[in-house]
Amino acid sequence: GENVEQHPSTLSVQEGDSAVIKCTYSDSASNYFPWYKQELGKGPQLIIDIRSNVGEKKDQRIAVTLNKTAKHFSLHITETQPEDSAVYFCAALETSYDKVIFGPGTSLSVIP
Amino acid sequence: EPEVTQTPSHQVTQMGQEVILRCVPISNHLYFYWYRQILGQKVEFLVSFYNNEISEKSEIFDDQFSVERPDGSNFTLKIRSTKLEDSAMYFCASSVPRTSVNTGELFFGEGSRLTVL
Repeated sequence: GENVEQHPSTLSVQEGDSAVIKCTYSDSASNYFPWYKQELGKGPQLIIDIRSNVGEKKDQRIAVTLNKTAKHFSLHITETQPEDSAVYFCAALETSYDKVIFGPGTSLSVIP
Repeated sequence: EPEVTQTPSHQVTQMGQEVILRCVPISNHLYFYWYRQILGQKVEFLVSFYNNEISEKSEIFDDQFSVERPDGSNFTLKIRSTKLEDSAMYFCASSVPRTSVNTGELFFGEGSRLTVL
């Protein structure tokens, strides 16, 4: 089945700097890659997603890139703000099966 | 904005007891899911449910677990005989069908924290 790896596990950046989180997946048939933000005590919330027929997608300060050949995808947050502090999960949809598989998460701290 | 609601928010139970966690998915959604998150760990898939039957389940979802959509609005997760290692946050999620246009984004509830003593 699908396996999603994520790095780094923790990340601290100064306010205004950029943050990059990288993920790899194992199933070449996966075709949908969402990113979730989880704030303390809450459920995961989708922040951006990308399909395998697209190489890059941007939404204001957040962008995601996908390299299908290498089975890598990354989240880029620019001009970070303290409210960006949370745990971020990458995920992949295992298309043969009806399930989204999550990576282990990255705890992002934005230092004012 | 429509949301997935879960009850209870926190349940404490004795080992061996049965627990039922309840979810009300978003009303026009057709796919329903349960995920589990042990404290500080990743979000793990348990089961997906569509058209009144399980469509996928993980190895975690053994015979002690069951799901049901009893009345067309609620979606429940039952753990028959809880173990200490069942202590976790359980998240319900729902989505519309995935199409060429719609990615079928999962909408998560706030979670039910289960503590097994």
